[in-house]
Amino acid sequence: GAVVSQHPSRVICKSGTSVKIECRSLDFQATTMFWYRQFPKQSLMLMATSNEGSKATYEQGVEKDKFLINHASLTLSTLTVTSAHPEDSSFYICSARRDLGLAGGFTDEQYFGPGTRLTVT
Amino acid sequence: EDQVTQSPEALRLQEGESSSLNCSYTVSGLRGLFWYRQDPGKGPEFLFTLYSAGEEKEKERLKATLTKKESFLHITAPKPEDSATYLCAVQAYGGATNKLIFGTGTLLAVQP
Repeated sequence: GAVVSQHPSRVICKSGTSVKIECRSLDFQATTMFWYRQFPKQSLMLMATSNEGSKATYEQGVEKDKFLINHASLTLSTLTVTSAHPEDSSFYICSARRDLGLAGGFTDEQYFGPGTRLTVT
Repeated sequence: EDQVTQSPEALRLQEGESSSLNCSYTVSGLRGLFWYRQDPGKGPEFLFTLYSAGEEKEKERLKATLTKKESFLHITAPKPEDSATYLCAVQAYGGATNKLIFGTGTLLAVQP
C-alpha cells in the first residue's frame, strides 16, 4: 500500500507555456500532499504544502502565482507551472501523507511519487 | 535553524563489505527522523521512521539507529542492488505540519 503516482513522468515544453503535473494517491486518502523540487545531485527542496479544500502554503522564495497548486480531492493534487522558463527545468516530486480514517490524523511518513522531469526549451 | 548533514557524500563498497552512513541533525525539537532510499530518476522510497534516542529499526540488510544528535544507517553485507542515494530527513515539533527537512544524501555504490 501507500502508492503515489505522478503524470506525466517526463515533459518538454517551450518557454512561455504552462505545464500541469498531477499527483495521485492510488490506494489511500491524503488530505495533505507536498510538492518538492530537486536539482541534479542536490536534495529535495520543499516548494509548497497542498491541503484538500484550502489554499496551499508556499515556502519562502517560491512564487505562488507561478506555481499554482490545486488539491481538488483527497487523492489528487496538481501543480501548474505557468509561463515556464528554462530556469524552471527540474525534477518535480510530490509526496502524500496517508490519512488514518475515522481515527483521525495521518501518518508521519510521506510517500513519494516517481517524479516528473520538466525541460523547458 | 533546523539542519541535516549527511556523511559521507559518496561511499563505494565491495559486495559483502559492511559500513555505516551518518546523519547529523540540529532541530529545535525532534518529532521524527526518516530514512529514504532514492534510485536515479525516481522518487524517494520510505525505509524507516525513528522517534526517540535509543530506538532501532531493521529491514533486511539495513538497520537504523538514533541518538540525540545523529542517526546511523548500518548496511550489513551489502549487495549491488543496495546501490542508491540514501536520504535522511527530520521533522520538528511546531511550525508547518509534517514538514520534512532533508539532507543532501549519501550516494552508495556497491561493487560485485
